[in-house]
Amino acid sequence: AQTVTQSQPEMSVQEAETVTLSCTYDTSESDYYLFWYKQPPSRQMILVIRQEAYKQQNATENRFSVNFQKAAKSFSLKISDSQLGDAAMYFCAANSGYALNFGKGTSLLVTP
Amino acid sequence: DTAVSQTPKYLVTQMGNDKSIKCEQNLGHDTMYWYKQDSKKFLKIMFSYNNKELIINETVPNRFSPKSPDKAHLNLHINSLELGDSAVYFCASSHLRDTGGYTFGSGTRLTVV
Repeated sequence: AQTVTQSQPEMSVQEAETVTLSCTYDTSESDYYLFWYKQPPSRQMILVIRQEAYKQQNATENRFSVNFQKAAKSFSLKISDSQLGDAAMYFCAANSGYALNFGKGTSLLVTP
Repeated sequence: DTAVSQTPKYLVTQMGNDKSIKCEQNLGHDTMYWYKQDSKKFLKIMFSYNNKELIINETVPNRFSPKSPDKAHLNLHINSLELGDSAVYFCASSHLRDTGGYTFGSGTRLTVV
């Protein structure tokens, strides 16, 4: 079984600044994948970034990047140059089998 | 061209009623899922179907019954609705063990009064 833990229920960042959202996971699988999803007030689930566990290189998508520490089972999301449109719930998720398991989410507030 | 579409988007109903939520995907995926998001925003897997066969059935009351008539459709039927069933229900699809992540529908907000 997998568990995904997000220890920050809420985070706040000023526009143009950088913020890091934390995520740790626990799995006994050797082959697994990690994801960050964004859920704005519209409630649509939007894939932000993904990481294959066998790849050492951290994934990057424009202003979004991850810090993947496999030994520590840590998968944090860094948002650079934060924008008002980044305000949302962010969910960390892990998939090593037949379903995505989600953390409880971090609510990100972006202030002007 | 919506990739994963759910209907209805909103559903308000009385306790004890039976209701269904429909889901369709046009991505050619072979696996579909139902997730429940509670009032605290926690997303939990309920069911997963691969090629019309049930592969995940989490601890869900048997009042919830999924039905997959074909690979592109996965419907959720709920009998004898209770107040605690109020939540947002998300349908999603993927290729089984796909590394690319899941595609989610826009969710159905169910309110039981």
